Amino acid sequence: GQQLNQSPQSMFIQEGEDVSMNCTSSSIFNTWLWYKQDPGEGPVLLIALYKAGELTSNGRLTAQFGITRKDSFLNISASIPSDVGIYFCAGRQGGSEKLVFGKGTKLTVNP
Amino acid sequence: EAEVAQSPRYKITEKSQAVAFWCDPISGHATLYWYRQILGQGPELLVQFQDESVVDDSQLPKDRFSAERLKGVDSTLKIQPAELGDSAMYLCASSLEGRNSPLHFGNGTRLTVT
Repeated sequence: GQQLNQSPQSMFIQEGEDVSMNCTSSSIFNTWLWYKQDPGEGPVLLIALYKAGELTSNGRLTAQFGITRKDSFLNISASIPSDVGIYFCAGRQGGSEKLVFGKGTKLTVNP
Repeated sequence: EAEVAQSPRYKITEKSQAVAFWCDPISGHATLYWYRQILGQGPELLVQFQDESVVDDSQLPKDRFSAERLKGVDSTLKIQPAELGDSAMYLCASSLEGRNSPLHFGNGTRLTVT
């Protein structure tokens, strides 16, 4: 099946630092979604991307749909302790409604 | 803000027993999904409904898992008999119809099989 490679697997940063994570695939995707999951909770949608090259922000979060349509990036600026959690990328290929998830990036923010 | 409701939040069962999970999607969402998430992994699709019809159950272990959405609203996922390897978080999600509609997840049911 489709594979999404998400990196890094984990990150340990200081409060106030910027964070960058990415998701890549060998296949073309038409939709990229970024979710955050807290322990014991379901994933919460952060940003949705629908066009190659699209750059979308949600507060301190910015995500981009790669121009090759095979990758996406999520940046968090000026991290705060509540940014702690697991960030998942997810994508849909053309002709399918099925959403495929990466394995997640676990973010730890030290105050 | 409307939410996807799931119950129970936690379930502990012995292997070989039957277990069932319930999901009520956001009102008006025609598409409903059941995902399984193993600890440390991303969610993996088990079954997708469009209204009351199954549109993708290719990853559902049909020898022991079943899912239904009889009236096209709420849904039930059943496992019978449960096995140790079924221990996971079972997530329900819903979306409006269409490929550009993002999924909205419930808080899941954490299943432990002993």
